Amino acid sequence: RKEVEQDPGPFNVPEGATVAFNCTYSNSASQSFFWYRQDCRKEPKLLMSVYSSGNEDGRFTAQLNRASQYISLLIRDSKLSDSATYLCVVNVGNMLTFGGGTRLMVKP
Amino acid sequence: GAVVSQHPSWVICKSGTSVKIECRSLDFQATTMFWYRQFPKQSLMLMATSNEGSKATYEQGVEKDKFLINHASLTLSTLTVTSAHPEDSSFYICSARDGRGNQPQHFGDGTRLSIL
Repeated sequence: RKEVEQDPGPFNVPEGATVAFNCTYSNSASQSFFWYRQDCRKEPKLLMSVYSSGNEDGRFTAQLNRASQYISLLIRDSKLSDSATYLCVVNVGNMLTFGGGTRLMVKP
Repeated sequence: GAVVSQHPSWVICKSGTSVKIECRSLDFQATTMFWYRQFPKQSLMLMATSNEGSKATYEQGVEKDKFLINHASLTLSTLTVTSAHPEDSSFYICSARDGRGNQPQHFGDGTRLSIL
């Protein structure tokens, strides 16, 4: 079993749609959680940290359920520019573990 | 905010060449930096953890004599791919973190290595 699992997609959605990504992690000692965005042939860029209380940044909402070891990302009102691969990332100690990424394609 | 600079961004060279990639933290000190590799359509895979002033810690399956890491200062780590072969062609990315362990890591721009 992978340490961090994501549905690889692709998720093909029309502009304006709401889309949700899920992620599960296996290490209960995981301390912090992030969503990164990676565009094709580029480095990952931090999208947002994920907190147990849930957090929102504009059209993006992240949730963490420590009991279920489950992380989610909700994107509202999708834009063409949201097309990318979204990486669920878990931190244990000083180490980051990446999910395989979920590919999102937003169509006109 | 924190910035990590990686150089060069693209390398094309012949088989057997050794290639050095630099990773710099521009506005913070990083006692630890990380080197990742990403093959097409795959996720980032950690290769090694670079520790300032000491030996790097390599992940299982990564040859330490093949991928030489030097972290000589708090702002610079280098990865040297020795005697590179076509199968070493990949996207190499470094990252570093400023502060405590629960802070996000910041990534360099990545180096696309193509070995002919």
